Amino acid sequence: GAVVSQHPSWVICKSGTSVKIECRSLDFQATTMFWYRQFPKQSLMLMATSNEGSKATYEQGVEKDKFLINHASLTLSTLTVTSAHPEDSSFYICSARDPAKGDSYEQYFGPGTRLTVT
Amino acid sequence: EDKVVQSPLSLVVHEGDTVTLNCSYEVTNFRSLLWYKQEKKAPTFLFMLTSSGIEKKSGRLSSILDKKELFSILNITATQTGDSAVYLCAVVTGTASKLTFGTGTRLQVTL
Repeated sequence: GAVVSQHPSWVICKSGTSVKIECRSLDFQATTMFWYRQFPKQSLMLMATSNEGSKATYEQGVEKDKFLINHASLTLSTLTVTSAHPEDSSFYICSARDPAKGDSYEQYFGPGTRLTVT
Repeated sequence: EDKVVQSPLSLVVHEGDTVTLNCSYEVTNFRSLLWYKQEKKAPTFLFMLTSSGIEKKSGRLSSILDKKELFSILNITATQTGDSAVYLCAVVTGTASKLTFGTGTRLQVTL
């Protein structure tokens, strides 16, 4: 089946620094990837849709200058949390659809990245 | 604004019980409804439902969609401790196929 990886799986950083999270589709090409954030005991909230070769589409309330998304290839999207603050501490998950699966809307999720900002 | 609501929020049952999890939605440009199981990390896919009234089954799990009443249910029969997880319902909308997740139902199966 389609596999999505994320790196790193967890990261601790100091307030004010930037952190980059990578999301890779390992056995398929993904023209579109999605970035979610999940706070403890809450559901997944879509942050942005990442499109290969073009600008990401951000959801309302998500600061595009703070959460920089780059989707430079068909297998890699990156999310950079700039000037991180403790309130950015969360579980960040990416997902991707496999366009070869036609009408299937299933999204394959990465294992997630736990970010802690101290 | 698209909205997906799940009930109950949490549930504790004994091994062997049958449970029914509910998901209702109010969205524009509905495409499909997905069920996921989330244990400690990322969600794993269970079902995709696009047509009304057609039950999907996988072992002890089954699910059905009602597009007229805008809801879906996920049934788990003969529950096992390994079924303990958060079950997420998500609705796919629009041309970008965005997922809007529900609040989740936390299921705990005890011995």
